[in-house]
Amino acid sequence: GDSVTQMEGPVTLSEEAFLTINCTYTATGYPSLFWYVQYPGEGLQLLLKATKADDKGSNKGFEATYRKETTSFHLEKGSVQVSDSAVYFCALGSRLTFGEGTQLTVNP
Amino acid sequence: GAVVSQHPSWVICKSGTSVKIECRSLDFQATTMFWYRQFPKQSLMLMATSNEGSKATYEQGVEKDKFLINHASLTLSTLTVTSAHPEDSSFYICSASRTSGGYSTDTQYFGPGTRLTVL
Repeated sequence: GDSVTQMEGPVTLSEEAFLTINCTYTATGYPSLFWYVQYPGEGLQLLLKATKADDKGSNKGFEATYRKETTSFHLEKGSVQVSDSAVYFCALGSRLTFGEGTQLTVNP
Repeated sequence: GAVVSQHPSWVICKSGTSVKIECRSLDFQATTMFWYRQFPKQSLMLMATSNEGSKATYEQGVEKDKFLINHASLTLSTLTVTSAHPEDSSFYICSASRTSGGYSTDTQYFGPGTRLTVL
């Protein structure tokens, strides 16, 4: 069946550092890929998505590229802020198979 | 747009009682809604998929008689935890997919979640 493997957390960075959160997947076909973010005390919010190979999703300075050859969808941001502290989930498909989630803490 | 609400946001109940959680899509129609359960510091686990006007499809291992799901309209789905026990304490999250041209689109919009504590 479909599965998503995320980089284990927690991840702690200083403000303005570069962020990468790795995500790899196994799936039949070519499902859509998503990154969701969960801020403390809130529900999940869609951060970005990509629907086909080589698509790049981007939002709020975050980017992820759908790589079919490496079955990956790594999340990147060039300069993180304290307000980016949250849990990030990689997910795939219309029924959303989620990764384990990665806790990100950004210190001032 | 694409706002999903849940009510209540938190509930505490006694063991053996039933609790109903509502999920509403406020500004769009949702043919399909999903119910998830999230344990502390863990990922979301899909419990069931709910289609308007039909019976819900439950994931393996989820007791359909314990977690009753009703999707009576294109904007409302309810989850009732029947005869709740302490092990049912969890964070329950719903999501909804927009309906476009009669079909569900692939993006899910999540509610803020409901914290259930069973004493």
